[in-house]
Amino acid sequence: KAGVTQTPRYLIKTRGQQVTLSCSPISGHRSVSWYQQTPGQGLQFLFEYFSETQRNKGNFPGRFSGRQFSNSRSEMNVSTLELGDSALYLCATRSGRKSTDTQYFGPGTRLTVL
Amino acid sequence: KNQVEQSPQSLIILEGKNCTLQCNYTVSPFSNLRWYKQDTGRGPVSLTIMTFSENTKSNGRYTATLDADTKQSSLHITASQLSDSASYICVVSAGSGGYQKVTFGIGTKLQVIP
Repeated sequence: KAGVTQTPRYLIKTRGQQVTLSCSPISGHRSVSWYQQTPGQGLQFLFEYFSETQRNKGNFPGRFSGRQFSNSRSEMNVSTLELGDSALYLCATRSGRKSTDTQYFGPGTRLTVL
Repeated sequence: KNQVEQSPQSLIILEGKNCTLQCNYTVSPFSNLRWYKQDTGRGPVSLTIMTFSENTKSNGRYTATLDADTKQSSLHITASQLSDSASYICVVSAGSGGYQKVTFGIGTKLQVIP
């Protein structure tokens, strides 16, 4: 079974631009969560999608948005990029929405904002 | 405010030695606690998950303990190997049903040296 796939793996953007990141879950997984990881803050929850609906949301500004498609693939969009958005963006998928379901993380997308 | 604190921030040990990582949390209502291992440049991988009623869980050379009364957890690594060099992240979920608030610790960076 293929693991969680994230594309692109690396991205360099400039302030003010926008970016779209993609996450393809493990086959059969319907829940996709997005996280931002920085050295100072650690992992922070962005949002979770299940069956194309946002089910849970962290404390991030509206510049961060996402969506999920009918095949469970998910995209995350960040508009008007700021230097502080430089981070590793991870998605994690699981089959259901039980908190005890194991989450499987992708390798992440390293975003650098110049 | 939900918080998860991990100690130490970093640790260097000799190959073959044991070590214990700590996680203290102030999360309510407690749902479950997970330990993740994150290799450099990769996404986190789940090691253990414990609910309120569980006080110990093993995964090979990794043993996690949970004291729900004192709100402390530890991850014990036995007979360390070079491949154990990674960041270890404690994650605590609060809430019930479909809505869960997830709080991540900053992580402990472990380096195992020959």
